[in-house]
Amino acid sequence: GAVVSQHPSRVICKSGTSVKIECRSLDFQATTMFWYRQFPKQSLMLMATSNEGSKATYEQGVEKDKFLINHASLTLSTLTVTSAHPEDSSFYICSARVGTGNYGYTFGSGTRLTVV
Amino acid sequence: DAKTTQPNSMESNEEEPVHLPCNHSTISGTDYIHWYRQLPSQGPEYVIHGLTSNVNNRMASLAIAEDRKSSTLILHRATLRDAAVYYCILIRNSGNTPLVFGKGTRLSVIA
Repeated sequence: GAVVSQHPSRVICKSGTSVKIECRSLDFQATTMFWYRQFPKQSLMLMATSNEGSKATYEQGVEKDKFLINHASLTLSTLTVTSAHPEDSSFYICSARVGTGNYGYTFGSGTRLTVV
Repeated sequence: DAKTTQPNSMESNEEEPVHLPCNHSTISGTDYIHWYRQLPSQGPEYVIHGLTSNVNNRMASLAIAEDRKSSTLILHRATLRDAAVYYCILIRNSGNTPLVFGKGTRLSVIA
């Protein structure tokens, strides 16, 4: 089946530094990827929609200058958390829709970010 | 998007069937019913989806009410590995829109 590979699985960084999270579609082309954030004991919250070759669309309340999204190819989307702070510590997950029609979505395995 | 309502949590004994309900009284004719689950510290995974008819796959069965205002995900024999949060989500079959997650049902499986 379609797989989205997400790296790193976990990262610890210092406050003020930047962290890049990568998501690759391994056996299909993803013109669109979705980025979510999940705090402990809560559901997934959509942060942004990443479109290949164009600017990402951010959900209300998500700072585009803090969460930089790049989707330069049909198989790679990246999320960079800039100037990270402890409140950015969360579980970040990417997703892509597989094919067209009523197919499902596939998700990355998630990145646990801890900012110290 | 139409809203879904699920119980916050459910508990099952291992190797017994589990019926996870979902209410979606405002569903529209073009909404597909999708179920995903999220195991601890992992991204969600697809379980099953349907439109009007009941569906079966290797993971589960989906029973859809005749009026489509509710559905039930059926795990025929729960195992410890089925302990997860199960999300019922309605999706329009058009465009490339993201999944919008509600709170889901946290299933605990007791050995």
